[in-house]
Amino acid sequence: DSGVTQTPKHLITATGQRVTLRCSPRSGDLSVYWYQQSLDQGLQFLIQYYNGEERAKGNILERFSAQQFPDLHSELNLSSLELGDSALYFCASSAPPGGRAYNEQFFGPGTRLTVL
Amino acid sequence: DAKTTQPPSMDCAEGRAANLPCNHSTISGNEYVYWYRQIHSQGPQYIIHGLKNNETNEMASLIITEDRKSSTLILPHATLRDTAVYYCIVRGNSGGSNYKLTFGKGTLLTVNP
Repeated sequence: DSGVTQTPKHLITATGQRVTLRCSPRSGDLSVYWYQQSLDQGLQFLIQYYNGEERAKGNILERFSAQQFPDLHSELNLSSLELGDSALYFCASSAPPGGRAYNEQFFGPGTRLTVL
Repeated sequence: DAKTTQPPSMDCAEGRAANLPCNHSTISGNEYVYWYRQIHSQGPQYIIHGLKNNETNEMASLIITEDRKSSTLILPHATLRDTAVYYCIVRGNSGGSNYKLTFGKGTLLTVNP
């Protein structure tokens, strides 16, 4: 158990719909990262938040957005869903610089999204 | 971040050492080598990282060549539970907040009984 929690575990929805994935980082971690893993693209970085602020952006579509709240949990919002958005979505967290194990990213169990 | 090259798959007998190679010929001086693994559809798990010296922890050893263009992850006594995809990642470590991980295709290590 990494200490990172993600809900829901599974999500099945239809094309055109909008969903929200939730992530709670490990206690004390300020950084949250979102990754998408699909069969054809592999594991891809989407976006990083640090203490509530966006810090880095990867190959995140404009239909996707994220935020990190004052309690440090994060949500990834996916809208106008397409079949190709079906994937595993992972959240990871890491400790602040100088903290113990700050070089590691701790991954949650993921949310499996199926778009029908 | 520098690109890495890994064999797509490897086999290892249970109880033997598993040696997983990685090439990172374009690594720059301030970039670290990280290893993560992913056991079937679970979240990736950090294993070890290093800059230029060899490193060892409770999970594995990391051997980095002197020119830093390649490295080897060693699992000293592989078990069936070590069957996973192993990712070698090169990443800079700045003094600020942490950064993304760029995953390649990794090496599928299959440990056989």
